[in-house]
Amino acid sequence: GAGVSQSPRYKVAKRGQDVALRCDPISGHVSLFWYQQALGQGPEFLTYFQNEAQLDKSGLPSDRFFAERPEGSVSTLKIQRTQQEDSAVYLCASSLGASEQFFGPGTRLTVL
Amino acid sequence: SQQGEEDPQALSIQEGENATMNCSYKTSINNLQWYRQNSGRGLVHLILIRSNEREKHSGRLRVTLDTSKKSSSLLITASRAADTASYFCAPITGNQFYFGTGTSLTVIP
Repeated sequence: GAGVSQSPRYKVAKRGQDVALRCDPISGHVSLFWYQQALGQGPEFLTYFQNEAQLDKSGLPSDRFFAERPEGSVSTLKIQRTQQEDSAVYLCASSLGASEQFFGPGTRLTVL
Repeated sequence: SQQGEEDPQALSIQEGENATMNCSYKTSINNLQWYRQNSGRGLVHLILIRSNEREKHSGRLRVTLDTSKKSSSLLITASRAADTASYFCAPITGNQFYFGTGTSLTVIP
């Protein structure tokens, strides 16, 4: 497709479950970003990849959060032992570099 | 933090009026970008202004940048109901984007 896609669009998890969120960036985009957006707030940076290298993971809120991009294309954000405070929309974006970012529609995670 | 801070937090105007949103930031930047987000959707890039530029236009959008004051403004002229959305600025240093809480714009038909 032409844009960034994310799956699933909606995810409901019971507290304590592990979840995996997928991002398919625009083909050829070197940079990939993950953001967490709570209701009524702006997106908060989680982590950044350049190709397969995770260059910045300073925004990951705890060691329960893990992201990977093993082949420099698709990325997965994994959250282990989910907590209620993890409920948010998780946005993925890709770019060619230090230019505009193209965002996916997000995955809305609800932890019960 | 490099996070942009938008002002006002919420703005309600009549269709046809102009809407102005402001953004302030704290450290030096490479460029600054404005994004729009419709409810429940991802962000859409509107305009990028580089640190050596003072003003940029794109259709009904006009963006200014004052690096001495570390501020930027987004003007939407002749607003339409379809402009109703949240607007975010992102001051950019390197590859990191730090969004503020945004301005929620409502355009009343």
